[in-house]
Amino acid sequence: QKEVEQNSGPLSVPEGAIASLNCTYSDRGSQSFFWYRQYSGKSPELIMSIYSNGDKEDGRFTAQLNKASQYVSLLIRDSQPSDSATYLCAVKQGDQGAQKLVFGQGTRLTINP
Amino acid sequence: DGGITQSPKYLFRKEGQNVTLSCEQNLNHDAMYWYRQDPGQGLRLIYYSQIVNDFQKGDIAEGYSVSREKKESFPLTVTSAQKNPTAFYLCASSIGDRGRNQPQHFGDGTRLSIL
Repeated sequence: QKEVEQNSGPLSVPEGAIASLNCTYSDRGSQSFFWYRQYSGKSPELIMSIYSNGDKEDGRFTAQLNKASQYVSLLIRDSQPSDSATYLCAVKQGDQGAQKLVFGQGTRLTINP
Repeated sequence: DGGITQSPKYLFRKEGQNVTLSCEQNLNHDAMYWYRQDPGQGLRLIYYSQIVNDFQKGDIAEGYSVSREKKESFPLTVTSAQKNPTAFYLCASSIGDRGRNQPQHFGDGTRLSIL
């Protein structure tokens, strides 16, 4: 079992709809969770972070965390063509002094005009 | 402006050659990281460093080496022992353990290819 798993997609969503991206993780002790967006040929950029169970909203983006189910998701409301990218889920793991991010393989999202 | 600078943007390696990728940050971050990304894949950790003069192997350290002589700099050497070096290499930094929930921020990356 991979440490962080995402559906690789591609996920295709019509413009204006809600895009839902999912991620599961295996280390129950994980405390910090991040979503990065990566455009083709570019480096990842941070779009959301979440540390507590529940929802966290930032503009059109909502991150959801359920530690009991070891599940984190990202919702994108009113999807725009500019949201077309690969979305990487990352989970911080490890002990003090040796913490690292473990990334999923990414979900490629396409927003259709 | 504060940020992470990777150079060069593109790099070509000949057979049997070692090449060094540069990563410099002026964010005053303690921790720095090197990742490799292959087409259609996620990021895999090569090496990371939480403090000057100390670094740890990541998941795919074989064929790579690093140094951390200065807080601002974390160069990665791809040695001739790395038989499949063609990939997109990303450097990242973070506050480190001083900020448990702090994210990593990335440079623009270096694309390495074999001649």
